[in-house]
Amino acid sequence: NAGVTQTPKFRILKIGQSMTLQCAQDMNHNYMYWYRQDPGMGLKLIYYSVGAGITDKGEVPNGYNVSRSTTEDFPLRLELAAPSQTSVYFCASSYWRASYNEQFFGPGTRLTVL
Amino acid sequence: DQQVKQNSPSLSVQEGRISILNCDYTNSMFDYFLWYKKYPAEGPTFLISISSIKDKNEDGRFTVFLNKSAKHLSLHIVPSQPGDSAVYFCAASEVDKLIFGTGTRLQVFP
Repeated sequence: NAGVTQTPKFRILKIGQSMTLQCAQDMNHNYMYWYRQDPGMGLKLIYYSVGAGITDKGEVPNGYNVSRSTTEDFPLRLELAAPSQTSVYFCASSYWRASYNEQFFGPGTRLTVL
Repeated sequence: DQQVKQNSPSLSVQEGRISILNCDYTNSMFDYFLWYKKYPAEGPTFLISISSIKDKNEDGRFTVFLNKSAKHLSLHIVPSQPGDSAVYFCAASEVDKLIFGTGTRLQVFP
């Protein structure tokens, strides 16, 4: 199993550009999550999904959109990139709710917006 | 407002000694607590967890203690090894989500 994969690993965007961060998991997990980690900060939840077709906002959803059309994939869309979105983005998945199951994380995407 | 706090950004410990990483939380409704470990340029990996109905959970060299009255948990690593050098995140479970602390960077030196 590849686990949780993320593409790209690195990306530089200009202000106002758009991009999609890809996330896929092959563990048949129901739950998927997108986090961002800023320097010296913890992981902040952007969006999450409890199953295909169901998504919900996390702590910092502004400027992002998600969709979950399949169990395996959970892409994160940035429509109009801003310097404040410079961060490392992690995708994670788990079989069940956060309380009882560990989340498996991807290796991250480092995004710089100039 | 930070619901999960790790007030020590860094900790340096000699190899073989005990490492104690601390975490405080504000929400008494959290039902599960987890510790994750993160190496540079990698995603976090799960280390150990504890239910709010317990006060201790042990897994090899790692033990997590929970003091509900103080809203405090700690991770003990005994003995510490150089490979334990990483950033450790405390996280609290709120229904379908985890709320993470800001992390503590542990350095284990020979």
